Amino acid sequence: DAKTTQPPSMDCAEGRAANLPCNHSTISGNEYVYWYRQIHSQGPQYIIHGLKNNETNEMASLIITEDRKSSTLILPHATLRDTAVYYCIVRVGNAGNMLTFGGGTRLMVKP
Amino acid sequence: DSGVTQTPKHLITATGQRVTLRCSPRSGDLSVYWYQQSLDQGLQFLIQYYNGEERAKGNILERFSAQQFPDLHSELNLSSLELGDSALYFCASSVGGRDRGETQYFGPGTRLLVL
Repeated sequence: DAKTTQPPSMDCAEGRAANLPCNHSTISGNEYVYWYRQIHSQGPQYIIHGLKNNETNEMASLIITEDRKSSTLILPHATLRDTAVYYCIVRVGNAGNMLTFGGGTRLMVKP
Repeated sequence: DSGVTQTPKHLITATGQRVTLRCSPRSGDLSVYWYQQSLDQGLQFLIQYYNGEERAKGNILERFSAQQFPDLHSELNLSSLELGDSALYFCASSVGGRDRGETQYFGPGTRLLVL
């Protein structure tokens, strides 16, 4: 799996958009970008994933650059409950591949 | 709620002992994955089972073993426990098919404390 680089921490004001960057310059053509988050010591929670196109669901938006070497997870209106560690993972999307977690970004949403 | 259940939530035991952690995957999921999260190592993949058979192995110690039963629940057995085995143990499940972009869903974890 391709290696990812994320800032170790970020702050965001409550109600504002949180934009979390991820670099994955060695990504292969068949590797997906996945985002998970872990709130305190709870189980990692799936947020969103994508291959080439931008994706949006009820939780977040994922913007992938045209060369696929970086991506941004956007939480449109961050709340205090979004305070968590966010993990960007790139992997081939089939049943045989485990998730390789890096250090992630610790997002602190402040009132 | 991801639909993945794990028992027990907490476990306290002594060095040298053996424990069993249990995981029930989401309904319909054939693959089960085990991960360990310790303070100094982060989240690490241990092992994967698919429909009862071992599919992939990660950094799993020889003192640890796992299996997946015909009803698809899985157990992770940890033996000859050491202080350093204290960690959060997570189970995840996925459909297990060949579709691309498959997603793993995690359970709430079991917190193991070895004294």
